[in-house]
Amino acid sequence: DAKTTQPNSMESNEEEPVHLPCNHSTISGTDYIHWYRQLPSQGPEYVIHGLTSNVNNRMASLAIAEDRKSSTLILHRATLRDAAVYYCILRSNFGNEKLTFGTGTRLTIIP
Amino acid sequence: DTEVTQTPKHLVMGMTNKKSLKCEQHMGHRAMYWYKQKAKKPPELMFVYSYEKLSINESVPSRFSPECPNSSLLNLHLHALQPEDSALYLCASSLPSQGAWEKLFFGSGTQLSVL
Repeated sequence: DAKTTQPNSMESNEEEPVHLPCNHSTISGTDYIHWYRQLPSQGPEYVIHGLTSNVNNRMASLAIAEDRKSSTLILHRATLRDAAVYYCILRSNFGNEKLTFGTGTRLTIIP
Repeated sequence: DTEVTQTPKHLVMGMTNKKSLKCEQHMGHRAMYWYKQKAKKPPELMFVYSYEKLSINESVPSRFSPECPNSSLLNLHLHALQPEDSALYLCASSLPSQGAWEKLFFGSGTQLSVL
């Protein structure tokens, strides 16, 4: 699977937008970009995914670079409940039963 | 019902014990997964079942034995574990892998301690 690179940790103030970056320079044309998050003492939780176009849902927005070599997860207004480890994952359309987690970004929200 | 239920939530076992972890979902998902997560590390894939058949085994030691008796249930049988096997064991499910856009639903995990 192609690899992703994320900052180990980030901090953000409560009620402000958060931009979580992810680099995936070896992405292939059929790789989907997935984001999951893991709150303390819980299993991972799906956030959003995309292929080429930007995506929005009730939890977040996903901005994908035109060359697809990077993407950004946007939390529009962070709350304390958004404190979690955020994982950016590439999932191939071949052998797609695998979902392989990278090291993720630990997001701390400052009240 | 969008839940994946794992039992027990906590388990302590000795190295000579035999125990089982259980995972259940009623979302009609036909792909089920076991992951292992050590503290402060990302989850690592262990096994994948698709339509009740084992499709992926990530070279997991034989002291871990998965079983998928029906489409709603996934077990992980444990025998002769080592202290380094202590970890959070996560179960997940998804629709069958029609494509890489399918999302996984995770349970809250079983925290296992091997003494």
